[in-house]
Amino acid sequence: SYVLTQPPSVSVAPGQTARITCGGNDIGSKTVHWYQQKPGQAPVLVVYDDSDRPSGIPERFSGSNSGNTATLTINRVEAGDEADYYCQVWDSSSDHRVFGGGTKLTVL
Amino acid sequence: QVQLQESGPGLVKPSQTLSLTCTVSGDSISSGSYYWTWIRQPAGKGLEWIGRVYTSGSTNYNPSLKSRVTISLDTSKNQFSLKLSSVTAADTAVYYCARGDGVPAAPFDYWGQGTLVTVSS
Repeated sequence: SYVLTQPPSVSVAPGQTARITCGGNDIGSKTVHWYQQKPGQAPVLVVYDDSDRPSGIPERFSGSNSGNTATLTINRVEAGDEADYYCQVWDSSSDHRVFGGGTKLTVL
Repeated sequence: QVQLQESGPGLVKPSQTLSLTCTVSGDSISSGSYYWTWIRQPAGKGLEWIGRVYTSGSTNYNPSLKSRVTISLDTSKNQFSLKLSSVTAADTAVYYCARGDGVPAAPFDYWGQGTLVTVSS
C-alpha cells in the first residue's frame, strides 16, 4: 500500500515561514490535499489539488508537489496556525485514500 | 450548506459490532457523484481512512479493516452508516464521516464533528 511520510513536528517563530513536507514514491504524479486539525476539532481542508485554496483559507497557505515530496508552506505564521497538519492522496492502484502520519506545527 | 453529523453508541463491548450513522443535510446522498467516507482517529494519533460508499452504492475499504467493515447508504433517510464487527480496544477512536466530491482524487470537503467510540467491557 502507498505510504506518506511526514515529520512529526515543525517549529517556527511567529512571522516566519513554516514548511511541512509529505514524502511518497513519485508523489508528484498524484494529487495532494492538506488538512489542518486543531485540538478537539475535525480536520479542515486548507489546500487541495496540490496548490489550490478553498474559499476562506488565507493566502498565507500554499502548496507544491514535485518528485517524491509535496510541501505545505505557511507564510507569516501566526499563533492561530498552531495545529496538526495532514497530507492526503488517492492511491489509484488500490482505489484507497491515504493519509500521512501528521505534523504538529508549534509556533514558538 | 452541507452538514454531516455522526451518531451512535459511545461505548461498545469487546467482540461486539460498532454501528454509527452519518446524517447528511443540505445535500442528497443519492444525487450527484460523491464518496461518502468514514475516517477514524485514535487518541493522540493520526487519521485513518476506513472506507467509502459511492453514490451508486459501490464500496471500497481499508485492507487492514476490510474483513470487519461494512459501509452502506440509506437514501430514504439521507444517511450512510458504518458497521465494524469484532471490535477490540484498538478500535477505540474518534470516528468522522466526510464527503469526497466528484472524483476519487477529490479532497474531503465536508466533515462531521466526530464521535468518540470507546471499546470497553
